Amino acid sequence: KAGVTQTPRYLIKTRGQQVTLSCSPISGHRSVSWYQQTPGQGLQFLFEYFSETQRNKGNFPGRFSGRQFSNSRSEMNVSTLELGDSALYLCASSFTGGTGANVLTFGAGSRLTVL
Amino acid sequence: SQKIEQNSEALNIQEGKTATLTCNYTNYSPAYLQWYRQDPGRGPVFLLLIRENEKEKRKERLKVTFDTTLKQSLFHITASQPADSATYLCARNTGKLIFGQGTTLQVKP
Repeated sequence: KAGVTQTPRYLIKTRGQQVTLSCSPISGHRSVSWYQQTPGQGLQFLFEYFSETQRNKGNFPGRFSGRQFSNSRSEMNVSTLELGDSALYLCASSFTGGTGANVLTFGAGSRLTVL
Repeated sequence: SQKIEQNSEALNIQEGKTATLTCNYTNYSPAYLQWYRQDPGRGPVFLLLIRENEKEKRKERLKVTFDTTLKQSLFHITASQPADSATYLCARNTGKLIFGQGTTLQVKP
């Protein structure tokens, strides 16, 4: 079956712009999580969506937002981009998420560079 | 807060040797610990999950242990190969999956 698909794979933006990243989970997976990965901070949890509802949120400013559609596809948006937002943004899906044995399947990521 | 820590220094070993990576956690024991592998420019890939009541889990050349007394998990790769070179991440579930910083393993031929 198809894996987790993230688009775009690479993008360059300038400070102050906004960006929208897209994630298509594995068919049948209802939970989608987003992570930011930088060399200094490692993998940082952004948020998790399940059945179109945000179920968990990490410690990121309100400029970072997301949503999930009825087909489980998810988007995340970053407004008023800052240089520090340059990172690899990873989306991961799982069947249920939550506190169970929540094994994640990751996409290849979207590499965002802010100039 | 529930933290998970890995040795951020790279681990360099010779081909054929056993690589051992460490993951330490704070506060209460998680019900599960997971290990992932990440290659440069790619997303992490799930390797193994070990439950709190399991002392050890194996998969081919991989072995994971879970010591709730030491609050530690060890990840072993036996007969290591250059293709095992990657960053290895451990993770705990606190309602969301929290990852350690990862340890980069370099296996030299």
